[in-house]
Amino acid sequence: QAQLVESGGGVVQPGGSLRLSCAASGFTFSDYSMHWVRQGPGKRLEWVAVIWSFGSRTDYSDSVKGRFTISRDNSRSTVYLQMNRLGVEDTALYYCARHSGSYSNWYLQLWGRGTLVSV
Amino acid sequence: EVVLTQAPATLSLSPGERATFFCRASQSVGPSLTWYQQKLGQAPSLLIYDASKRAPGIPVRFSGSGSGTDFTLTISSLQPEDFAVYYCQQRDNFGQGTRLDI
Repeated sequence: QAQLVESGGGVVQPGGSLRLSCAASGFTFSDYSMHWVRQGPGKRLEWVAVIWSFGSRTDYSDSVKGRFTISRDNSRSTVYLQMNRLGVEDTALYYCARHSGSYSNWYLQLWGRGTLVSV
Repeated sequence: EVVLTQAPATLSLSPGERATFFCRASQSVGPSLTWYQQKLGQAPSLLIYDASKRAPGIPVRFSGSGSGTDFTLTISSLQPEDFAVYYCQQRDNFGQGTRLDI
């Protein structure tokens, strides 16, 4: 059964860094683009970043561009989110999610349970 | 950037009733609209993609319609497990959600 398990969340001071991990299992990880989505306390879902399966190209939301870096290790079936220069506005539950659909029309079919980041 | 606006913010209904959720896009997105359900304390789960296609395992009481800028998610007869928050999404944009209360 396909699943995603996030880890690495915690409490960090403003200006600090964290690295989140998302371990995938039950599917061919290298075939899929992977996303990070976050949800602040009482807030809507917010897309954060994607790493595409083709060529490992990355895209970021404007709110994290230049501070966060998404990467993947296909040999470990793991996607990462390196978060630097964290601010209180980054406090959220961070989900990783598996891409479905095309580059121009996509949705998220499989989600992890999330890891909590508190700044 | 596409802005998605959902209505109403909260919907209060009883089991067995019909629920209708609306999502309006600030510009045409064709049929590219997705709906998720998020139960309290859980991750979102995919309900409907491409505006009207049910995800695997989703009961037939869930249906989606619309194209362009106006979209609708309907639950034909509410079950107790349907009370949750519903989000629409188009690529990197999410609506603010509609909370369905019992």
